Amino acid sequence: EAGVAQSPRYKIIEKRQSVAFWCNPISGHATLYWYQQILGQGPKLLIQFQNNGVVDDSQLPKDRFSAERLKGVDSTLKIQPAKLEDSAVYLCASSPRLAGTFNEQFFGPGTRLTVL
Amino acid sequence: AQTVTQSQPEMSVQEAETVTLSCTYDTSENNYYLFWYKQPPSRQMILVIRQEAYKQQNATENRFSVNFQKAAKSFSLKISDSQLGDTAMYFCAFMRYSSNTGKLIFGQGTTLQVKP
Repeated sequence: EAGVAQSPRYKIIEKRQSVAFWCNPISGHATLYWYQQILGQGPKLLIQFQNNGVVDDSQLPKDRFSAERLKGVDSTLKIQPAKLEDSAVYLCASSPRLAGTFNEQFFGPGTRLTVL
Repeated sequence: AQTVTQSQPEMSVQEAETVTLSCTYDTSENNYYLFWYKQPPSRQMILVIRQEAYKQQNATENRFSVNFQKAAKSFSLKISDSQLGDTAMYFCAFMRYSSNTGKLIFGQGTTLQVKP
């Protein structure tokens, strides 16, 4: 079974530029998560999708970050315009939604963003 | 709000020895999950072990075991017979048991170095 795919793996941009990250979850997984992991910290949830609907985006800086999951499969996360403090690893994770059992989250390799 | 605290930023252990990583958390929930995740250098996050709060028995997975103290809100990870491949950052994480969202709340992480 293929894992969670993310691209690009690395991205370097200047502040005030725009950037987009892509995530393809494990086939059949209904739930998709985007986490931000700043160096030296644990990941923090930015947004969670259930199929193509948003479940939780309470920690997403909506003035500059946006995300979509059209057709309930792959997802893109965009930052526009980027700030220096957005430098981080952006992790995508997915999980199935099986009733009556624990649903493990599977993580992708992440996209390391550096904002200069 | 739930918080997770890992007070050991870095630890080291000799190969084949035992090491314990500490984690404390704060929540008003009665039912929840606790996890330990492993993040090797430049590789993706994987689940090491999970504990359901309603279970009194401590979880074990091969060389990995936990000491779950619900009243003290403590959740430590013991790695026995440490191997070089255990070198990684380890994150303690919390999830509400019955929430609509599978949001993981992570601690700051502990970097573990296994020395030959």
